[in-house]
Amino acid sequence: DAGVIQSPRHEVTEMGQEVTLRCKPISGHNSLFWYRQTMMRGLELLIYFNNNVPIDDSGMPEDRFSAKMPNASFSTLKIQPSEPRDSAVYFCASELAGVSYNEQFFGPGTRLTVL
Amino acid sequence: GDSVTQMEGPVTLSEEAFLTINCTYTATGYPSLFWYVQYPGEGLQLLLKATKADDKGSNKGFEATYRKETTSFHLEKGSVQVSDSAVYFCALSDSGAGSYQLTFGKGTKLSVIP
Repeated sequence: DAGVIQSPRHEVTEMGQEVTLRCKPISGHNSLFWYRQTMMRGLELLIYFNNNVPIDDSGMPEDRFSAKMPNASFSTLKIQPSEPRDSAVYFCASELAGVSYNEQFFGPGTRLTVL
Repeated sequence: GDSVTQMEGPVTLSEEAFLTINCTYTATGYPSLFWYVQYPGEGLQLLLKATKADDKGSNKGFEATYRKETTSFHLEKGSVQVSDSAVYFCALSDSGAGSYQLTFGKGTKLSVIP
């Protein structure tokens, strides 16, 4: 398996623009997580899905952030409008919940820079 | 709520030195404990785990023992290599709280110099 795939790997955009990050989880995994990593705040869980259903989105910073999982093999995280403080590395992770003692497999991340 | 506290870095060691990175936790249930490692430019990878008290997780020469009495899960390696330079994250999963979430510490950056 190719592991968790994220795209793009790097994104540079201007304040006010819409940004869409994409994730393809490991085939067969039933849980998907979106994290944000910054120097100041470390690794933060934004939202996670189980069987394509959002379970907990309490980590989503504000209404500018939205996430979807239309099917088991694809998820998006959208920021609209983007702001400079959104600059961070965004990770997607997937897991076979209930079997693997919460061993989450992380993608390589998307480094977002908002100017 | 659940939390993980790990020693702040950065930690700089010479090759073949002994490594300890301290990690303590608070949890409402009976958590599983993990160490993840992040190499430069990459995502996190599971390094080792322990699911019950007194379990020892081990991988690539790293070890950590689940100490319920001290709520700790310290990471150790007897002889570090330059290739161990990375950021190390301690984490817990409190299945007793009915959640699939991992709670991470802030990470400890390790640099190993030749």
